[in-house]
Amino acid sequence: DAKTTQPPSMDCAEGRAANLPCNHSTISGNEYVYWYRQIHSQGPQYIIHGLKNNETNEMASLIITEDRKSSTLILPHATLRDTAVYYCIVRVSHSGGSNYKLTFGKGTLLTVNP
Amino acid sequence: GAVVSQHPSRVICKSGTSVKIECRSLDFQATTMFWYRQFPKQSLMLMATSNEGSKATYEQGVEKDKFLINHASLTLSTLTVTSAHPEDSSFYICSARLGVGGGEKLFFGSGTQLSVL
Repeated sequence: DAKTTQPPSMDCAEGRAANLPCNHSTISGNEYVYWYRQIHSQGPQYIIHGLKNNETNEMASLIITEDRKSSTLILPHATLRDTAVYYCIVRVSHSGGSNYKLTFGKGTLLTVNP
Repeated sequence: GAVVSQHPSRVICKSGTSVKIECRSLDFQATTMFWYRQFPKQSLMLMATSNEGSKATYEQGVEKDKFLINHASLTLSTLTVTSAHPEDSSFYICSARLGVGGGEKLFFGSGTQLSVL
């Protein structure tokens, strides 16, 4: 799986958009970009994923560059409850089998300030 | 979203005893579940992949005889830490895979904090 690079930490003001970058310059054509977050002492939470088109759901938007070498997770209106470690993961999505797994890096600690 | 329930949330045990952690997918069937371990201020580390009806696949360096995994049904996987020692104290998290192909996602339990005295 392709390796990802994220800044170790970021700050954001409450109510403003939080833009979290991720570099994955070695990504392959069949690898998806996944975003998860982990609030302190809890299990990770799925946020969003995409292949090459931009994606949006009720939690966030995912912007993937045309060359797919980087992406940005956007939380449009950050709240204090969005303070968490955000993980960007790239992964080949198989149709089945036991070799599907997600490998977590160190992620970005996003701190939303009042 | 799909719900994964993990119990217990916290357990304290004496050195040498065994501890069982349960992971249940409440509203979906999961042929594949995963067990992770997380030490303080570190990222999640995959321990093993649990497959319903077959043996688990362990990551390199994880002792399969110490961390017993059973996935007897499509909604339940268990992790048993046998003869626990203080160095096994950690945050254990399970997850279940939902979907196949491009739509698959992992849903995680809330974790189990294990403290071995």
